[in-house]
Amino acid sequence: EVQLVQSAAEVKKPGESLKISCQGFGYTFSSYWIAWVRQMPGKGLEWIGVIYPRDSDTNYSPSFQGHVTFSVDQSISTAYLQWSSLRDADTAIYYCAKAAVPGFVNRFETWGQGTLVTVSS
Amino acid sequence: IQLTQSPSFLSASVGDRVTITCRASQPISDSFAWYQQKPGKAPRLLIYGGSTLQSGVPSRFSGSGAGTEFSLTISSLQPEDFATYYCQQLHSYPLTFGGGTKVEI
Repeated sequence: EVQLVQSAAEVKKPGESLKISCQGFGYTFSSYWIAWVRQMPGKGLEWIGVIYPRDSDTNYSPSFQGHVTFSVDQSISTAYLQWSSLRDADTAIYYCAKAAVPGFVNRFETWGQGTLVTVSS
Repeated sequence: IQLTQSPSFLSASVGDRVTITCRASQPISDSFAWYQQKPGKAPRLLIYGGSTLQSGVPSRFSGSGAGTEFSLTISSLQPEDFATYYCQQLHSYPLTFGGGTKVEI
């Protein structure tokens, strides 16, 4: 079964760093783009960007560029989303999602369960 | 590319036919998808390519449109369809989402 399993919820203080993960199972991890999506409390979905595990090619939304970083570890089929300095406004659920067709960013048919990140002093 | 989704809220009854629309700020061919999200759950892909039903999605869901105007129709609303629906354009980065439509009883 194809699935994405995300890391557990985190509680952090403003200014702290954080790295959350998304591990793929049941498919060739390196061949499919992984997207990251934010959902702030009670709000809609926001596109953060994508990473291609095979060569770590990335594309960030201008709204998030410079504030978050994507990375992957192909050896453990895991993608990461990280912050070097969290803000209160980063409080949200973060989802990873897998593209449906190898090598293409076309549609996202498999989603992780989400990671809740709470940033509070 | 901005996506304007309407309505943002929809009140309906079981058995109703409902339609949600999404307008893109520029032409995007058929590079378009619809998702359903229930409270506390991840989004679920319903429709892609503007009108192709994702495997396992009931046939009461249908999508249409191309260019700048797209719609999602549920032909006969079922209790499990009460959720929030989002459109997404897959034409050019950033791959934006619409604001969402909450379908309530």
